[in-house]
Amino acid sequence: DGGITQSPKYLFRKEGQNVTLSCEQNLNHDAMYWYRQDPGQGLRLIYYSQIVNDFQKGDIAEGYSVSREKKESFPLTVTSAQKNPTAFYLCASSIGGIETQYFGPGTRLLVL
Amino acid sequence: GNSVTQMEGPVTLSEEAFLTINCTYTATGYPSLFWYVQYPGEGLQLLLKATKADDKGSNKGFEATYRKETTSFHLEKGSVQVSDSAVYFCALYDNFNKFYFGSGTKLNVKP
Repeated sequence: DGGITQSPKYLFRKEGQNVTLSCEQNLNHDAMYWYRQDPGQGLRLIYYSQIVNDFQKGDIAEGYSVSREKKESFPLTVTSAQKNPTAFYLCASSIGGIETQYFGPGTRLLVL
Repeated sequence: GNSVTQMEGPVTLSEEAFLTINCTYTATGYPSLFWYVQYPGEGLQLLLKATKADDKGSNKGFEATYRKETTSFHLEKGSVQVSDSAVYFCALYDNFNKFYFGSGTKLNVKP
């Protein structure tokens, strides 16, 4: 089955700790995205990548970092600089230049 | 800049009622428009889309028409079911690999 997987489903972070959220897709999509969703709010773009080894900041990139070493993988690291990390994180992918985005099931990050 | 505005919720309806969720957009050029649905604790699923003016997207009884003259893409369904209860997001794609989402509208359908 083709799709996008995110792990873990729930993640707990201690103060001052960096944590990494996984996103993997087997759809052969060029573009991948990370969004943050807060309760009762819409999606805000953190980072996106149109091709391997290239990525751009979205609207709320501060306190986050990404890498795109492989086409199928786009991990997101939430660093200690992100002071309010508690949120639902969604990964998505699309065929570059063709518009439909496909979403993973999400990771809920909580601070201990 | 590009943006999407959709009606605030929650919207509460009885089963078999008619649904409209309003969505308007601001964009340069000719964006593609989407409706996504999110069930509790899950990611977003594509519901329908339209890529040019006057196109009608439809799926599972839901419809939306791309109206360039009013910059709107309102979601409609003739008869809602309890299983339609979810959060609905209107979105646009700017044809430069960026997507813009509305804030979401929660729909509650009561038996």
